[in-house]
Amino acid sequence: KQEVTQIPAALSVPEGENLVLNCSFTDSAIYNLQWFRQDPGKGLTSLLLIQSSQREQTSGRLNASLDKSSGRSTLYIAASQPGDSATYLCAVRPPWHNDMRFGAGTRLTVKP
Amino acid sequence: DTGVSQDPRHKITKRGQNVTFRCDPISEHNRLYWYRQTLGQGPEFLTYFQNEAQLEKSRLLSDRFSAERPKGSFSTLEIQRTEQGDSAMYLCASSLKADRTGGSQETQYFGPGTRLLVL
Repeated sequence: KQEVTQIPAALSVPEGENLVLNCSFTDSAIYNLQWFRQDPGKGLTSLLLIQSSQREQTSGRLNASLDKSSGRSTLYIAASQPGDSATYLCAVRPPWHNDMRFGAGTRLTVKP
Repeated sequence: DTGVSQDPRHKITKRGQNVTFRCDPISEHNRLYWYRQTLGQGPEFLTYFQNEAQLEKSRLLSDRFSAERPKGSFSTLEIQRTEQGDSAMYLCASSLKADRTGGSQETQYFGPGTRLLVL
C-alpha cells in the first residue's frame, strides 16, 4: 500500500527566503507525481506534474524534482512571498489506476 | 468561469438525513473524481468516472455512498443516513484523458469543495 509522507508538517519563513518542501513515498512504482497548493477552506490548485520518466519540472519560481528510486520528491520555492502562504500537497498516481494518494501537506507561512 | 464547480459549498445536516452534492466538471473533461478531505489531512480518493462509467471505487465508499454521472457531464454524490464521521470536505476534480500515451501527463483540476457538517 502506497504511503505518502510530507515533512515538515508546518514551516514558517521570512519573505525572500528560498525553501524546500519534501515528499516521500513508499512504492516507487508510480505513474506521475503532482504538487498542489491549497488555500484555507478552498480546493486544490495544481502547481507541477512530473511524469515517472522525468526528473524535474519548473514553473516560474517553483521547481519540483523526482527521484523514483529513493521515493522522494522536493518542491523548491525561490524568493518566497507572503502570497505563497498556503498548504502544499504532493500526490502520487499508481500505474493502471486513477486513485491518487496524497500526503497530509506542509502548511507554509511566509512572513512579510 | 470555466473551472470545476460544486454545489452547495456548505451543508449542515442532522445525523440520519440524506444529502446530495453536485459537481460540474470542466466541459471537455471526460474523467471526474470524488475525494474526501478531513481537517489536517490530504484528500482521500473515493471514486472516479470515465464518461458515464464508474470505473473505480475506494473501500472508503461504503454502501451509504452512491455516485452517478448519468450523461457523462455533471456528477452527484449522495450520502444516505449520514453519520458524524461523514463530516468532511468533499472535493470533485476533472481531467481529460487524451490518449494512452498522454495519460501520464493528465492533470486533475479541483473544484472548491463542499464542506459537510453532520450534527
